[in-house]
Amino acid sequence: GAGVSQSPSNKVTEKGKDVELRCDPISGHTALYWYRQSLGQGLEFLIYFQGNSAPDKSGLPSDRFSAERTGGSVSTLTIQRTQQEDSAVYLCASSLAGRPNSPLHFGNGTRLTVT
Amino acid sequence: AQTVTQSQPEMSVQEAETVTLSCTYDTSESDYYLFWYKQPPSRQMILVIRQEAYKQQNATENRFSVNFQKAAKSFSLKISDSQLGDAAMYFCAYRKGGTSYGKLTFGQGTILTVHP
Repeated sequence: GAGVSQSPSNKVTEKGKDVELRCDPISGHTALYWYRQSLGQGLEFLIYFQGNSAPDKSGLPSDRFSAERTGGSVSTLTIQRTQQEDSAVYLCASSLAGRPNSPLHFGNGTRLTVT
Repeated sequence: AQTVTQSQPEMSVQEAETVTLSCTYDTSESDYYLFWYKQPPSRQMILVIRQEAYKQQNATENRFSVNFQKAAKSFSLKISDSQLGDAAMYFCAYRKGGTSYGKLTFGQGTILTVHP
């Protein structure tokens, strides 16, 4: 079946502009995660959605970052007034709910470059 | 807060040989889950193996196995008969158990090079 889909795969934007990154999870996966990966580094947690529960936003680095998930499926990560330090690969993942041993299935990421 | 540490930024191995990647974690929880993911240059994160903390038996998946030492909070990955396709960045990850398990916490990764 189809995996996690992210778009765009690459995005170049000017400092100060807003960007939107999209994630389409695997059908039936009610848990959705956003991570950020800077060049050659580990994965930094940003936000987690689980069904109708309030999202875990504890990883968002500033109020310029926000995310929403519409209809329990597609999610959009928005970065306002982008800064050069926002340049990174943004990874989205989804998983089955109710099973803590359920692995995350990742998309191929969006590489964001802020010039 | 839980932390995951991978102390080897880079490792290398000859094709067909065995290599072990190290991972330690810090947690006060007794119920948790551990994972190893592989990230090749394509950026696609791929699950390699997982371990439930309540299981004493070490998980194995074909050429991949783990050495899970709960008391030492250690979770190393052994790759046997290494292949060129094993070259990638490997991440160790932790997730607490229970009903509010939430996110995975990842280590910084180990770059594995496989020499022919």
